[in-house]
Amino acid sequence: GAGVSQSPRYKVAKRGQDVALRCDPISGHVSLFWYQQALGQGPEFLTYFQNEAQLDKSGLPSDRFFAERPEGSVSTLKIQRTQQEDSAVYLCASSLQGIRDTQYFGPGTRLTVL
Amino acid sequence: AQSVTQLGSHVSVSEGALVLLRCNYSSSVPPYLFWYVQYPNQGLQLLLKYTSAATLVKGINGFEAEFKKSETSFHLTKPSAHMSDAAEYFCAVTLRTGANNLFFGTGTRLTVIP
Repeated sequence: GAGVSQSPRYKVAKRGQDVALRCDPISGHVSLFWYQQALGQGPEFLTYFQNEAQLDKSGLPSDRFFAERPEGSVSTLKIQRTQQEDSAVYLCASSLQGIRDTQYFGPGTRLTVL
Repeated sequence: AQSVTQLGSHVSVSEGALVLLRCNYSSSVPPYLFWYVQYPNQGLQLLLKYTSAATLVKGINGFEAEFKKSETSFHLTKPSAHMSDAAEYFCAVTLRTGANNLFFGTGTRLTVIP
């Protein structure tokens, strides 16, 4: 079976541009998580979905960050008016049901803001 | 609040030698603990997890970790290092209830010397 996939794998944006990062979770996984991983750091939580409901967005660093999962499957993380500090790898993970189940991670999208 | 501290951002071992990667956690209540491995340009892969019951947890690729409540530690070990073990290793913690995400350490890069 296919794992978690993310696209694009690499994205270069000019400062001020909007970007959209896509995550395809494992089929049937209820929970979906987004993390941000800065260079040399561990992943940091951004937001969490259970089906289509965004239950926790406490990790989103600013109102320029927006995530959605309208049909409870594919999720999109959107960053508006990108800034250089947004440069990072954005990881998506899914789990069968919640935090207790193993989170399976995608390969990430490396965003570079020039 | 919960967090993990990984001692040593870089660890080098000779092929065939013992691997020991240190992780100490901070949590007000008994947590769930995880070790993930990240190979270059790949997503995180779960090595093992501690959720309850047995304090010695065996994972994939010959790794194991022991939960020691008295020391608030969850160190990762492997008796004999292989070249293929060279990667970045992350310890992570979450609460058993009321949490929606994992808290990761800053990672330890393992180098295996032939």
